[in-house]
Amino acid sequence: NAGVTQTPKFRVLKTGQSMTLLCAQDMNHEYMYWYRQDPGMGLRLIHYSVGEGTTAKGEVPDGYNVSRLKKQNFLLGLESAAPSQTSVYFCAISPGQRANYGYTFGSGTRLTVV
Amino acid sequence: GEDVEQSLFLSVREGDSSVINCTYTDSSSTYLYWYKQEPGAGLQLLTYIFSNMDMKQDQRLTVLLNKKDKHLSLRIADTQTGDSAIYFCAEIPNQAGTALIFGKGTTLSVSS
Repeated sequence: NAGVTQTPKFRVLKTGQSMTLLCAQDMNHEYMYWYRQDPGMGLRLIHYSVGEGTTAKGEVPDGYNVSRLKKQNFLLGLESAAPSQTSVYFCAISPGQRANYGYTFGSGTRLTVV
Repeated sequence: GEDVEQSLFLSVREGDSSVINCTYTDSSSTYLYWYKQEPGAGLQLLTYIFSNMDMKQDQRLTVLLNKKDKHLSLRIADTQTGDSAIYFCAEIPNQAGTALIFGKGTTLSVSS
């Protein structure tokens, strides 16, 4: 999706391994979000950031850490991957909390933990 | 806590109208949204409605909002096979430190 780039697109991890997912935006938006999508569960918020240097927990933060050292990048880390973290991860951005344009989403990262 | 409810599946024939329903919990939500997700893709904003509106029409799409019942619906006229996707209803509760809350999604299947 235009403006939001997620890397990698696919990844297979072994239980206990670590990895970092990168979300990069070129729209100069303040707010960035990480969601996970699981079948029948919709999208659930993991962590979010309201600006450079800030992070906050969402609905399902356990097992994940995040950093927003630069305004354009939002990193999601898994320190010790577990099979329960097998999911599709989406990054989203918005200019504000209640933006009437909604959020702009990346194309997702499909992660499998074996 | 907040929860957005949707039926999980809807099956229609090509050319029929589709109606996807959603109920939300925060009566103070300012904006309500419909997103579309095609297989293997991210989410695209389909349309949104401001809370002081009852209806919004955009080509084949009609959004109806009943604030009293906290009910939102999306009607797709003349449904096409290309409309087959998952449709998510979403709201942003009117409180600081919150983000978009999504329903579980309605899978629309269109048969020819």
